[in-house]
Amino acid sequence: EDQVTQSPEALRLQEGESSSLNCSYTVSGLRGLFWYRQDPGKGPEFLFTLYSAGEEKEKERLKATLTKKESFLHITAPKPEDSATYLCAVQDRVRGSRLTFGEGTQLTVNP
Amino acid sequence: GAGVSQTPSNKVTEKGKYVELRCDPISGHTALYWYRQSLGQGPEFLIYFQGTGAADDSGLPNDRFFAVRPEGSVSTLKIQRTERGDSAVYLCASSRPTSGLYNEQFFGPGTRLTVL
Repeated sequence: EDQVTQSPEALRLQEGESSSLNCSYTVSGLRGLFWYRQDPGKGPEFLFTLYSAGEEKEKERLKATLTKKESFLHITAPKPEDSATYLCAVQDRVRGSRLTFGEGTQLTVNP
Repeated sequence: GAGVSQTPSNKVTEKGKYVELRCDPISGHTALYWYRQSLGQGPEFLIYFQGTGAADDSGLPNDRFFAVRPEGSVSTLKIQRTERGDSAVYLCASSRPTSGLYNEQFFGPGTRLTVL
């Protein structure tokens, strides 16, 4: 069974204070690892897909990286509008299209 | 371009009642998914449609839950004899055909179901 563990559960940063969120996973053949952002009362918003170890993707202040056991979401010089819950999910080659999500990291960026 | 839409946005019902939740996917997306999210948790998979047929319904918790997608577009999640434990946000997502890469799932805003 696929497992996804995210840490920390919650993170408070000052504006401009860079940090990283962790996503550890166990999967029977990784098909893809996905990062989503979720604001309160809204559905998850797609950020990145990573397919193989060593891959990196960037979008504005966010950079996602992938190894064989974990993924990191690096946030550089965050702003208050980056405050949200960040969700990590995996898709495996055996069960195909379903996503298995972690519990998320709640990020708060103070001005 | 329109995203995934879900109606109603909120539904309050009494224990034992029947409810229907509707999802309208992104135009051209043949794959449709239902997830359930409890407070403080990540979404949990329920069922996946490719076209009109349920390709994977192994996430449905019991036989009180059923979903249809008769014309390969709009889907309805149906819950019979609701229980208080069914209270959650029900999320719908859609994606392009899942045979290749670039099959990212795009989520709707969800329906918050409260069973009193």
